[in-house]
Amino acid sequence: LAKTTQPISMDSYEGQEVNITCSHNNIATNDYITWYQQFPSQGPRFIIQGYKTKVTNEVASLFIPADRKSSTLSLPRVSLSDTAVYYCLVGYPYNNNDMRFGAGTRLTVKP
Amino acid sequence: DTEVTQTPKHLVMGMTNKKSLKCEQHMGHRAMYWYKQKAKKPPELMFVYSYEKLSINESVPSRFSPECPNSSLLNLHLHALQPEDSALYLCASSQVGRHNYGYTFGSGTRLTVV
Repeated sequence: LAKTTQPISMDSYEGQEVNITCSHNNIATNDYITWYQQFPSQGPRFIIQGYKTKVTNEVASLFIPADRKSSTLSLPRVSLSDTAVYYCLVGYPYNNNDMRFGAGTRLTVKP
Repeated sequence: DTEVTQTPKHLVMGMTNKKSLKCEQHMGHRAMYWYKQKAKKPPELMFVYSYEKLSINESVPSRFSPECPNSSLLNLHLHALQPEDSALYLCASSQVGRHNYGYTFGSGTRLTVV
C-alpha cells in the first residue's frame, strides 16, 4: 500500500486559493489518488479522485504530475466553512482493502 | 438514497455492558467497513465485509464483534469495553468489483465507555 505524507496543518484566509500537497513516492501503476474532507464529529466526505494530469469538479481541482509521486489538491477561494481535515489516499479503486488513512492536513481558514 | 445511516449517534456504556452499533445503507453497495477514530487522529480501519463475509480484521480485540446480517446492514457488537475504547465509530460502504469513486461514510457513533 502506498504511504502518503501531507503537511500536518495549514492556515489560510477567506477568499484565498489553498493548495495542499500529498507525497506518495511508491504509488503503484494502477493506483488512483483520492481526497476526502472531514469536519469534526462527521464521517469523511469524498472530494475528488484522479489518476494523472488534472481533474476538476465543482469544489476542487487535483493536479498530478507525470511521475505521479505527488499530487496537489487545490481549493479555490476558500471560506470559513472549508476549515476541516483533508486526507489524501492512494489505492486501486477496484480493491476494497486499500482504505487506510494517513495523518491528514488540518486546514484552518481565518476571516 | 445516497446515505449511510448510523445509530445511535451517541452511546454511553459501562465496562460490563453489552451494546450494539448499527449501520445501514441502501445504495446496493456490497462492501461495508468499520473504522475507529480517536480525537485529532485519522480513522483506523477495523473490519471489512465483502458480500456479507468478513474479509479483513485488523487485529481488533474480541470485545468488538462485527456482524453483517444482510447486504444493507452492518452491526458492531460491543462487550466488556475499556475506557480507551471511547471514540467515534464510523461505518462506510462501497461498491465491489467496480471502480470506486470514493467510499460513502456515515456520521458516526460517538461512544463513551465509563
